[in-house]
Order: sequence, then C-alpha cells, then structure tokens
Amino acid sequence: DVKVTQSSRYLVKRTGEKVFLECVQDMDHENMFWYRQDPGLGLRLIYFSYDVKMKEKGDIPEGYSVSREKKERFSLILESASTNQTSMYLCASFETRDRGEETQYFGPGTRLLVL
Amino acid sequence: LAKTTQPISMDSYEGQEVNITCSHNNIATNDYITWYQQFPSQGPRFIIQGYKTKVTNEVASLFIPADRKSSTLSLPRVSLSDTAVYYCLVGPNDYKLSFGAGTTVTVRA
Repeated sequence: DVKVTQSSRYLVKRTGEKVFLECVQDMDHENMFWYRQDPGLGLRLIYFSYDVKMKEKGDIPEGYSVSREKKERFSLILESASTNQTSMYLCASFETRDRGEETQYFGPGTRLLVL
Repeated sequence: LAKTTQPISMDSYEGQEVNITCSHNNIATNDYITWYQQFPSQGPRFIIQGYKTKVTNEVASLFIPADRKSSTLSLPRVSLSDTAVYYCLVGPNDYKLSFGAGTTVTVRA
C-alpha cells in the first residue's frame, strides 16, 4: 500500500515563527500536493510539485513556500506564521497512470494552531 | 476547471442506499469524474472514478449520463461507518484536482 506520512499530527506555533511541515511518500510518485482544509471551504490547493525541484502555485500560495529536494519529500514552509494560517494541512502524492487507476493518496494531516 | 455542485448534507439510515448527485455543467471532453471519501481527522480516500456510463467497484457505483453534465455516486446498503464527507471532483488526466466543501453523509442506526 502507498504510504504518505506527515511529520506531525498536531502543532502549536506562535505568530511570526517559521514553520516547517514535512511530507514523505514511499511509492516513488512524481506528483505531490499540499492542501489546507478549513470548515465549509473544503480542501484548497496551496502548492504542488511535478518533480524534484519543480513547484507550481496552487489556488492559495500567499504566505507559503515549498521545497522538493528529493522525490519522496515535499515540505511546506510558513515563513512567518499568522493566526489565519491555523488550519488542517494535508499532503498528497499522485502518479499519472492509465485512466481508471489514478488517485491521490493523502497523508493523515497536520492540525496547526497559530497563537 | 469544471465547477461542481453537490448537496451540502444528506441523512440516511443503516441498510439504505445513498445516492449523491454532483452537477458539472461545463465538464470538458477530457475531464474525468472522481469521488473521494473523508472521515474526520483523516485525509480523503479515493472511492471511484469514471468517464461515462456506469462504473462499479466493491465500494460504490458511479452513474454518468450521456451528456456527462452530472454524475451520481451510489453507496449500497450503508452502515454507520459510511458516515463521512464525500467529494466530487472533475478534471483531466494530469490536472490538479480542487476539492469543494463536499457532501456530509450522516448514517443513523
């Protein structure tokens, strides 16, 4: 089974801190994604990466950056955390294959509280 | 991106069939329809994917009419453990898929 792991399930940070959220997948997938999920808003895409050192902005990239130095690892960085970044953060990996077998595999999520 | 519309919530009872319809009027020719399920405090999980007509797997069935402007996810004989949020996504082969608010399905005993 594909496994996507995230470094923390729960995290509490203070406003202005630099925050690193780590995501690792074990299936050699090329594509990885970072989402945030807020009540009533569903999942919103922050950044995604199609390959090592490659990144593209999603729908809400402001206040975030990402790093993909190795294929299996995709990091989300909050340069200066703010209270409006309190949210559930979900990482996913995805491999483009023949239709009928495509799926995103999600990690368990990191619930971040910024005080 | 094709915009999708699905009900905010649905209630059901154990043993019943639950049908969730998703509207996607501006679906493109190369778009596929994918459904995910999400339990509380977990990431979404793939359920089923289709392009046209009917697709069935061990979890659900997906019905897609000829015009493809809507689709219906059918969950047969639901149990309490099927209580979750269900997302309808529409997109092409290698496109990043955006999740809306989904449909919260509550199954009662």
